[in-house]
Amino acid sequence: DSGVTQTPKHLITATGQRVTLRCSPRSGDLSVYWYQQSLDQGLQFLIQYYNGEERAKGNILERFSAQQFPDLHSELNLSSLELGDSALYFCASSRGQLVSGYEQYFGPGTRLTVT
Amino acid sequence: ILNVEQSPQSLHVQEGDSTNFTCSFPSSNFYALHWYRWETAKSPEALFVMTLNGDEKKKGRISATLNTKEGYSYLYIKGSQPEDSATYLCASTNQFYFGTGTSLTVIP
Repeated sequence: DSGVTQTPKHLITATGQRVTLRCSPRSGDLSVYWYQQSLDQGLQFLIQYYNGEERAKGNILERFSAQQFPDLHSELNLSSLELGDSALYFCASSRGQLVSGYEQYFGPGTRLTVT
Repeated sequence: ILNVEQSPQSLHVQEGDSTNFTCSFPSSNFYALHWYRWETAKSPEALFVMTLNGDEKKKGRISATLNTKEGYSYLYIKGSQPEDSATYLCASTNQFYFGTGTSLTVIP
């Protein structure tokens, strides 16, 4: 158990809908990262927050947004869902910046299925 | 190298064999290289974070080396065991690129 929690574990929804994925980082970790793993693809970085502020952005679609709250939990909002958004979404956290050599701890993931 | 590349893509070894795989990454603007172990139906688990050229890290039977000038890292597993079966991922934090991983199967 990494100490990172994600809810829900599974989510099934229809095209065009909006969903919110939630992540609670390990106690004391200030950075939260969101990743997407689609079928037959590797882990794709979406976005990073550090202590409430956006720090880095990857290939995140405009239909997706995220935020980190004062209690450091984070939410990833996915809207106007398409079939291709079906994927495993991971949240990860770290005490400090990965570029400074901090380790990153992954949550169990949320499996999103868009029908 | 524009992205992180790992080789081989998959590997089958006999229990007791030692093995190694490669991670190649962009050497410009290097900050840190991360290795992860990812078992099926679980989430990636951090193995090593390496930042300095010539770094060598070890955890039990698993070790890793880093060459930032030429942009590669090697992961070694000594005396492979069935429980080592997993996908081993590396990631460069320059641009948060993950390699596609090396899938290791250790045959009892």
